[in-house]
Amino acid sequence: DAGVTQSPTHLIKTRGQQVTLRCSPKSGHDTVSWYQQALGQGPQFIFQYYEEEERQRGNFPDRFSGHQFPNYSSELNVNALLLGDSALYLCASSFFLGGRTEAFFGQGTRLTVV
Amino acid sequence: AQSVSQHNHHVILSEAASLELGCNYSYGGTVNLFWYVQYPGQHLQLLLKYFSGDPLVKGIKGFEAEFIKSKFSFNLRKPSVQWSDTAEYFCAVGRDTGTASKLTFGTGTRLQVTL
Repeated sequence: DAGVTQSPTHLIKTRGQQVTLRCSPKSGHDTVSWYQQALGQGPQFIFQYYEEEERQRGNFPDRFSGHQFPNYSSELNVNALLLGDSALYLCASSFFLGGRTEAFFGQGTRLTVV
Repeated sequence: AQSVSQHNHHVILSEAASLELGCNYSYGGTVNLFWYVQYPGQHLQLLLKYFSGDPLVKGIKGFEAEFIKSKFSFNLRKPSVQWSDTAEYFCAVGRDTGTASKLTFGTGTRLQVTL
């Protein structure tokens, strides 16, 4: 049973560029959430996708956008990269259980913006 | 907005010592509570969770946590730590709202266990 898989594992981009990160959820899960974890900090919620729609969004600018595909996999896109976007980006998948949702995390994508 | 506070940023213990990591949250409604662990180079793993019922929950690897509603706390405990418990520990609060479930994390506690 595959867990949550993310690609790529590491990425180096230049300021102003755009990046796409990918996530495949755990088998049986239909919801994907994205988190940003800066060095020395806890993960911060970016947004969540369910039934191919963004259901909830954290305090992140519109440069951060996403998509969920019919097979439940998801992409996180970040435009006009800033140095401050350097972080570990985590994908979490879950099956919404209405009050008892448990999230499973992938290994993350380490993004470095230079 | 809800927030999660972890009071200990870096804890150093000798093997076999007892562990208690504090976690407090600010939100008056119904929440789900979690402790996650991140071993060096590995992904976040769930240690234990609380949804409802018995406020003392047991997780993997001998960890337990107690939910005290009146104190908005969910402290993590282990009677005797091992060197392999060296990791970063995150407390998280979850809210399920109709069609979404969001986790708010604390800043984490780095636990270093010495031999």
